[in-house]
Amino acid sequence: DAGVIQSPRHEVTEMGQEVTLRCKPISGHNSLFWYRQTMMRGLELLIYFNNNVPIDDSGMPEDRFSAKMPNASFSTLKIQPSEPRDSAVYFCASSFVRGYEQYFGPGTRLTVT
Amino acid sequence: DAKTTQPNSMESNEEEPVHLPCNHSTISGTDYIHWYRQLPSQGPEYVIHGLTSNVNNRMASLAIAEDRKSSTLILHRATLRDAAVYYCILLGGGSQGNLIFGKGTKLSVKP
Repeated sequence: DAGVIQSPRHEVTEMGQEVTLRCKPISGHNSLFWYRQTMMRGLELLIYFNNNVPIDDSGMPEDRFSAKMPNASFSTLKIQPSEPRDSAVYFCASSFVRGYEQYFGPGTRLTVT
Repeated sequence: DAKTTQPNSMESNEEEPVHLPCNHSTISGTDYIHWYRQLPSQGPEYVIHGLTSNVNNRMASLAIAEDRKSSTLILHRATLRDAAVYYCILLGGGSQGNLIFGKGTKLSVKP
């Protein structure tokens, strides 16, 4: 298996623009997680899906952030409108079942100018 | 979620064993002890987990104190590639809870 795939790997955008990050989990994994990592706050869980259904989005910072999982092999995290403070590395992870080991993607480094 | 305490940083020499400590005095009976590591510019990587008994896998060993209030991740022979931030995380059993990453221990390996 290719592991968790994320795209793009790097994104530079201007404040106010819409940003869409993409994730393909490992085939057969039923749980998918989106994290954000910054120097100030470390690694934070944003949202968690189980069987394509959002279960816990309490970590989503504001209404500007939204996440979807239309099918078992694809998820998106959208920021609209983006702000400079959204600059971070965004990781997607998947696991067979919540509570089992998670496999992380390489991350998307987002820079909002 | 129960909290863990780790040293901010540790140093090791290449090819020597490394013992990374973690204190978790408020651990509950159903909490599993998970270890992840994050190499520079990469996503976190699962290392090992355990409940009560010591565990071994190809990457490392996990030694859990009898009272479960502390644990130690053991890298038997550190390599330069093991330089990373190591996170000790408690996760409730029965698929409960989420991974909550603290600051971890930054391990430096000297040649």
